Amino acid sequence: EVQVVESGGGVVQPGGSLRLSCAVSGFTFSDYWMSWVRQAPGKGLEWVANIKKDGSEGFYVESVRGRFTIVRDHGKNSMYLEMNNLRNEDSAVYFCAREFVFTLPVVGGRNHYSTLDVWGRGTTVIVSS
Amino acid sequence: DIQMTQSPSSLSASVGDSVTITCRSSQVITNYLNWYQQKSGEAPRLLIYAASTLHSGVPSRFRGSGSGAHFTLTISGLQPEDFATYYCQESLFAPQYVFGQGTRLE
Repeated sequence: EVQVVESGGGVVQPGGSLRLSCAVSGFTFSDYWMSWVRQAPGKGLEWVANIKKDGSEGFYVESVRGRFTIVRDHGKNSMYLEMNNLRNEDSAVYFCAREFVFTLPVVGGRNHYSTLDVWGRGTTVIVSS
Repeated sequence: DIQMTQSPSSLSASVGDSVTITCRSSQVITNYLNWYQQKSGEAPRLLIYAASTLHSGVPSRFRGSGSGAHFTLTISGLQPEDFATYYCQESLFAPQYVFGQGTRLE
């Protein structure tokens, strides 16, 4: 079964650090980009970060750039989100998601459409003093 | 930066009804538009990609349409399990993504 499972959430004081984990199974981890998406209490979804298949580069939403680092470990089939200098507004459920690219034929070639097709149940981060 | 705006923010309907949710992008994204469903307390689920292509296992009562900067999600013959929050998401500017603020169907 294709699955991603998050862990590592908890309560942390402002300015503190936390490391989230995402363990994957049921698919070849190294074949896919992976993303973190968060949802603040009662709010909508916000894409946070993603990482290339080979782990060579990560991309971030502006609000976390310089504070969060996304990494992956193919030996452990896991992805991590290292969060530093946490703020109250970082409080949210953090979801791990697999990025799947669908290819559709179009006139003159093919288009590639990125999606988030497998999601975990999330892990909760609360930043509070 | 691109912005995705959904309307309405919430919608009341009954089983059997047909409903339409709108998503507008602040920039032209051709058909690089995904739709997700999220039930309360659950993870989101991919419904539609490329604006109108149903993901595997998604019932045919869901229909996506649109291109450019204006998109719609229509659910025909609402079922009890369809009451959820729906999000659009652009993917033209991958690897960074932006979601709409969500539409709650109740």
